[in-house]
Amino acid sequence: AQRVTQPEKLLSVFKGAPVELKCNYSYSGSPELFWYVQYSRQRLQLLLRHISRESIKGFTADLNKGETSFHLKKPFAQEEDSAMYYCALTKETSGSRLTFGEGTQLTVNP
Amino acid sequence: DTGVSQDPRHKITKRGQNVTFRCDPISEHNRLYWYRQTLGQGPEFLTYFQNEAQLEKSRLLSDRFSAERPKGSFSTLEIQRTEQGDSAMYLCASSPQLAGPYNEQFFGPGTRLTVL
Repeated sequence: AQRVTQPEKLLSVFKGAPVELKCNYSYSGSPELFWYVQYSRQRLQLLLRHISRESIKGFTADLNKGETSFHLKKPFAQEEDSAMYYCALTKETSGSRLTFGEGTQLTVNP
Repeated sequence: DTGVSQDPRHKITKRGQNVTFRCDPISEHNRLYWYRQTLGQGPEFLTYFQNEAQLEKSRLLSDRFSAERPKGSFSTLEIQRTEQGDSAMYLCASSPQLAGPYNEQFFGPGTRLTVL
């Protein structure tokens, strides 16, 4: 069965500090990995996907198949990055169900 | 607003009552998903439609839960004989069916159900 683990429920950093949100997964095949974000009073929305190898709002994430990890990183956190972040995977590229982690609440302090 | 809409946004009901939620996806999206999110957890998949066909159901979807998408447009999720454990945020998402890798799912605002 597929599973996503985000070990930190809460993460607090200061503005300008680097931030890393951890995500580990278990899946026997080749998953597609994503990060979704939910800002206060807003809808859940896609932040980035590993297949695109993109950087969104300064965030990047590298898929490490050996460690089965997909950690989200940003070198200099901003206050507007404060949000709930969910790591998710799907088991096929055609777009079926998403399996989400429990989420990490990131707070960036001034 | 051309995004995914859900109605109602909040529902309070007594244990044992039936409730029905509606989801209107983005108009050109033929895939529609239902998820459930309890406090402190990430969303959990419930079921998925492609057009009017219900293609996948989670084991979380007990026989008290039923979802429909009769004309391949809006969808309804009904919970019969509600229990306190059904209290959660029910999220709907839609996506297009395009060639190529994963198609982004667009989420609605959710319906928060409270069962007293």
